[in-house]
Amino acid sequence: GQQLNQSPQSMFIQEGEDVSMNCTSSSIFNTWLWYKQDPGEGPVLLIALYKAGELTSNGRLTAQFGITRKDSFLNISASIPSDVGIYFCAGLSNAGGTSYGKLTFGQGTILTVHP
Amino acid sequence: GAVVSQHPSWVICKSGTSVKIECRSLDFQATTMFWYRQFPKQSLMLMATSNEGSKATYEQGVEKDKFLINHASLTLSTLTVTSAHPEDSSFYICSAPHSTSYNSPLHFGNGTRLTVT
Repeated sequence: GQQLNQSPQSMFIQEGEDVSMNCTSSSIFNTWLWYKQDPGEGPVLLIALYKAGELTSNGRLTAQFGITRKDSFLNISASIPSDVGIYFCAGLSNAGGTSYGKLTFGQGTILTVHP
Repeated sequence: GAVVSQHPSWVICKSGTSVKIECRSLDFQATTMFWYRQFPKQSLMLMATSNEGSKATYEQGVEKDKFLINHASLTLSTLTVTSAHPEDSSFYICSAPHSTSYNSPLHFGNGTRLTVT
């Protein structure tokens, strides 16, 4: 089956620093998504990417859909304490036609921000 | 934005009993919903796809007789963990795409923490 390799597994940074994490896949995805999960809650969508090469920002977050469609990265600028959480990349493969495809998650990046 | 509501948030049950978890799409209709399971410090693993008006599709290794899924309406899917055992203790999360577009992002509920004693 499809697998996503997300790195790094964890990061410990100081408030104000920039953060970068990425995902690579052995196969092509049609859509890349980035989610954040706080403890005891469900993931919340941060950014959705639909086209190869697409670069999208959401406030301090920037994500890109790799040209090969097999990778994506997420950058967080000027981190703040509330950025703490687990970040997941997810790739969506098209099942064909109008059927909804399958969403595959990366292993997650645990982000800790020290004030 | 799209909201998916999940209930209960947490449940503790005795081994051998059954537990039902509800997932509702609050401001949109969802012909398809997804159920995930997440163990501590691990990623989300897809268990099954819930289809309104038809049988659910289960991922390899997921027992369909143990994890009963019913998609009774366009806004409600339920997951029943039957004859629960301690190894079923986990965080169960449902999700739904906001639109019928094949690449619509999934929106997730807040999850249900199941503890089987």
